[in-house]
Amino acid sequence: DLTQPPSVAVSPGQTATITCSGDPLPKNYAFWYQQKSGRAPVLVIYQDKKRPSGVPERFSGSISGALATLTITGAQVDDEGDYYCFSTADGGGWGVFGGGTRLTVL
Amino acid sequence: EVQLAESGGGLIQRGESMRLSCVASDFSFSAFWMHWVRQAPGKGLVWVARVNGDGTSTDYADSVKGRFTISRDNAKNTLHLQMNNLGAEDTAVYYCVRGRGSYSLFYFDYWGQGAPVTVSS
Repeated sequence: DLTQPPSVAVSPGQTATITCSGDPLPKNYAFWYQQKSGRAPVLVIYQDKKRPSGVPERFSGSISGALATLTITGAQVDDEGDYYCFSTADGGGWGVFGGGTRLTVL
Repeated sequence: EVQLAESGGGLIQRGESMRLSCVASDFSFSAFWMHWVRQAPGKGLVWVARVNGDGTSTDYADSVKGRFTISRDNAKNTLHLQMNNLGAEDTAVYYCVRGRGSYSLFYFDYWGQGAPVTVSS
């Protein structure tokens, strides 16, 4: 299982930090998805720290031991939403999501 | 632009069956693993099942094993999810998702808009 804090709140321009911890890490990569209300999830970080094209540079990922971290430097109101970490279980037969973190920027 | 379009969702009675479909476009469909991920109302994302490029290998979450069957028709660029003996716990939005990575280390890069399924008791 992957564990995330239920909520994180910051003011615009501040740094938001969302953590994800659990057994598949760090052996297996962490991936991060952003989901805005009523929309499908969007990949924002893959393989722990890589950023897909089109994702703003303010999004970054890191990992230390079994703790993966998504950092949004200079968070904007548009970054509000739910963030999910994802990894694959040992053996690779299935995938597991964290419970999600609701990010509020106000 | 990669597109994934789900269909087949709706309201269904407990114990009945439903088949979801997903038509893929603008990529080489048979070259990719495909997955289904679901999200119950107000809840988080849950991986459901996956199938390899030629349809010969599948994996399932424990919660659906034996009740759900994932399959694909590469000639029609279509992914399916056959869901049998549905229960209230299966009420969710079901997303069709393209897989990347390897067998052991996979993730998802493109998502459909989702097909809502409501199981009524």
